[in-house]
Amino acid sequence: AVQMTQSPSSLSASVGDRVTITCRASQAIRDDLGWYQQKPGKAPEFLIYAASTLQTGGPSRFSGSGSGTDFTLTISSLQPEDFATYYCLQDYDYPWTFGQGTKVDIK
Amino acid sequence: QVQLQESGPGLVKPSETLSLTCTVSGGSVSSHYWSWVRQPPGKGLEWIGYIQYSGATNYNPSLKSRVTISVDASKNQVLLKLNSVTAADTAVYYCARVGRVRRIRSGDYYNYMDVWGKGTTVTVSS
Repeated sequence: AVQMTQSPSSLSASVGDRVTITCRASQAIRDDLGWYQQKPGKAPEFLIYAASTLQTGGPSRFSGSGSGTDFTLTISSLQPEDFATYYCLQDYDYPWTFGQGTKVDIK
Repeated sequence: QVQLQESGPGLVKPSETLSLTCTVSGGSVSSHYWSWVRQPPGKGLEWIGYIQYSGATNYNPSLKSRVTISVDASKNQVLLKLNSVTAADTAVYYCARVGRVRRIRSGDYYNYMDVWGKGTTVTVSS
């Protein structure tokens, strides 16, 4: 199975900060990668697919990039509602696999 | 818009079968792929598998021998069965709709889970 490794596992940031989360695949996965946001006690929410395509109506402060094995999710200006855990998910090969998550909390 | 609601027993005994239902409203279960994902307490997300509108399935090998995903089109529901459960199967179980966008060059698809249910908690304990 393709292993997905996110870094950092957690980070503390302030409102207005630029935040970058990295996801690395154990093998090349083209751009078959999505990002999801999960708040405590809630279901995940879909943010990005194809590594960089923002879901319809998604906030433009979220952006994704990367191809092959290295991917990033960037939040250009962190908002109070963005404090959550973020997961990457590869759909290049079966089984689909998630990263372990990156928790973004308030500094 | 499409909404998903998971339901089922909150408590299952070890070695028994976990059976969950995902009821789809605002859309047809026959027009998309549907996936199940679970999350053990305090841990990350694990993809369980999906079912295509043709009825074909794809399962995580870690669960493959124990899991069955099916559709009841008459009730607009997606069903999950996991047999021979242990405490390690204790988790929040989510169903999700799989969205698909075709790649221009290769003809295969990007897949993503764009609509999620709220999840249902299942505890395996005697």
